[in-house]
Amino acid sequence: GAGVSQSPRYKVAKRGQDVALRCDPISGHVSLFWYQQALGQGPEFLTYFQNEAQLDKSGLPSDRFFAERPEGSVSTLKIQRTQQEDSAVYLCASSLSPDTQETQYFGPGTRLLVL
Amino acid sequence: SQKIEQNSEALNIQEGKTATLTCNYTNYSPAYLQWYRQDPGRGPVFLLLIRENEKEKRKERLKVTFDTTLKQSLFHITASQPADSATYLCALEGNTGFQKLVFGTGTRLLVSP
Repeated sequence: GAGVSQSPRYKVAKRGQDVALRCDPISGHVSLFWYQQALGQGPEFLTYFQNEAQLDKSGLPSDRFFAERPEGSVSTLKIQRTQQEDSAVYLCASSLSPDTQETQYFGPGTRLLVL
Repeated sequence: SQKIEQNSEALNIQEGKTATLTCNYTNYSPAYLQWYRQDPGRGPVFLLLIRENEKEKRKERLKVTFDTTLKQSLFHITASQPADSATYLCALEGNTGFQKLVFGTGTRLLVSP
């Protein structure tokens, strides 16, 4: 079946512009995660949803970052007034259940470049 | 603070040899540890999970060990192939009650024919 998909795959934004990144998780997956991956680094946790509830947003770098999953499936990560330091790959992952040892399936990521 | 360390330098080996990658952590007491593979331009792909009460786990040519006393995991690929060339990430669960993963920086493996 289809895996996790993300769009757009690449986004170039001018500093100060707002961007919206979309994640389509695997159908039926309860848990959804957003990670940020800087060049040469491992992914860093941003936020976690269980169905439509955002249970942890401790990794969001600033109040310019906002995520939602209104119907418990598709999720959007929005970054307002983008800054150059926001340039990174944004990864979405989903898992079938909230069980702590459940496998996370990652999308290909959205590469954001802020000029 | 919590820290996960992986060799930042690339590991170059010849085809057919065993590759060994290291993951060290501090200020954690993880219940389990995971290894992922990441190819350029792609998201990480889950490989193996090992629990704190397991010393060793195998899957085909892959072997993972987990030493909670040393706070270290070793990841081995036997009979390595050029197709094994990728970045390998270790990840620990972040003690939050859900699957919040904390990743190391990853080690790039290059297998030469």
